[in-house]
Amino acid sequence: QKEVEQDPGPLSVPEGAIVSLNCTYSNSAFQYFMWYRQYSRKGPELLMYTYSSGNKEDGRFTAQVDKSSKYISLFIRDSQPSDSATYLCAMASNDYKLSFGAGTTVTVRA
Amino acid sequence: GAGVSQSPSNKVTEKGKDVELRCDPISGHTALYWYRQSLGQGLEFLIYFQGNSAPDKSGLPSDRFSAERTGGSVSTLTIQRTQQEDSAVYLCASSLTGGDYEQYFGPGTRLTVT
Repeated sequence: QKEVEQDPGPLSVPEGAIVSLNCTYSNSAFQYFMWYRQYSRKGPELLMYTYSSGNKEDGRFTAQVDKSSKYISLFIRDSQPSDSATYLCAMASNDYKLSFGAGTTVTVRA
Repeated sequence: GAGVSQSPSNKVTEKGKDVELRCDPISGHTALYWYRQSLGQGLEFLIYFQGNSAPDKSGLPSDRFSAERTGGSVSTLTIQRTQQEDSAVYLCASSLTGGDYEQYFGPGTRLTVT
């Protein structure tokens, strides 16, 4: 079993819809949770960073962490075609080593 | 300012050849990381540098893989006697310090071993 599980999709939604992404994990030591966005042929860029449980909102993006269920989510409101990308979850315990999910490919249709 | 740069962007090599991949981190970032991204897989941690030292080489898949960093800046990942299973995108990231989870990634080097 992988340490971090993420449904690879693909996920296709119409413009303006809410995109819902999630990951589950098995390592209870994880405390730091991140979401990266990766466009085709580009490196990942950090979107959201959350410590421990709770919600964090940044513009159209909301990240949620439920440590009791070992489950994290990313919501994208009012999705735009420019949001079409692969979204990677990542997590870490108390060191620098990030464990990544496989990524979910999202297409927002105009 | 300039981000993380990597070269070459693409590399095609024959099985058994050696390859060198280069990473130029963001100026002032003391920590540097190499990851590998295979098709359908998440990013796989390879090695971490703090300054010129590599306190964690645990992710290197075999002794054919090595890396160095000089002057606290540029890093080179070397793969000797390449195999087809080495085909992947090799990503480099840097962060201000070793304990900083905000890692900035380069565009990657796409390696194809034929």
